Amino acid sequence: EVQLVQSGAEVKKSGESLRISCKGYGYSFTTYWITWVRQMPGKGLEWMGRIDPTDGSTDYNPSLQGHVTISADRSINTAYLQWSSLRASDTAMFYCARLYGDYLDYWGQGTLVTVSS
Amino acid sequence: ELTQPPSVSVSPGQTARITCFGDALPNRYAFWYQQKPGQAPLLVIYKDTERPSGITERFSGSSSGTTATLTISGVQAEDEADYFCQSTDSSDTAHVVFGGGTKLTVL
Repeated sequence: EVQLVQSGAEVKKSGESLRISCKGYGYSFTTYWITWVRQMPGKGLEWMGRIDPTDGSTDYNPSLQGHVTISADRSINTAYLQWSSLRASDTAMFYCARLYGDYLDYWGQGTLVTVSS
Repeated sequence: ELTQPPSVSVSPGQTARITCFGDALPNRYAFWYQQKPGQAPLLVIYKDTERPSGITERFSGSSSGTTATLTISGVQAEDEADYFCQSTDSSDTAHVVFGGGTKLTVL
C-alpha cells in the first residue's frame, strides 16, 4: 500500500530553522516526484515546489523560491522541506504528495507548523 | 489561474455542480480533490472525467472549453467538504496550480 508519512507538528519561534520530512512506503520512491503543498489557516492549497528523488532536481513556485529548500535522501525514501529562518507568516499546514504525471495521487497526513513572533 | 465559486449549497439527494474556470483548460486536464475538516486532500477525479478506485460513482467530472465541472449526484451529508480543482500551468515545466476551493454545504 502506498503511503506518505510526515513528521509531527512543530512549534517554533521567528528566526529559527526547521526541517520537516515525508517518508514514502509501498512504491519505488525514485519513480515519482514529490510535491510540497502549503495550506495557510482557513485558506486554499498552494503548490510550493517539487523534487525528483532520483537526482535531487527541484522546481519551485516563484513566489516562494529562496525562502524554502526542498531536498531528498533516496537511500531512506524521504523528502524534506526546510527553512533557515522562519517567519510568523509561515504558520500553516504542509502536505507532501506524490506527483503522478500532472496530478497528486497520494498525500501525506500533513505537518502543522506554528511560528510565533 | 483557476477560478472556483467560493460556496455551493444543496439539499440532500440533489445534484451539486462545482465549476472551475481557467484559460488553459482547453489544453490541460482538470483534477479534483475533496478535503474534509482536519484531513488531507483526497483525489476524486483525474484527467477531467476519470474516477480513482474506491471513489463513489456519485462523483463525476466533465470539461468543456475553459470550464471543468465536478458533479456530485444524490448528495449526502458526508459529501460536505471543500473541493479544489487542479491543473497545470502553461510553462515548459507544467507547474501544479490549484483553484481557490469551493465549500460544499449540504443543507
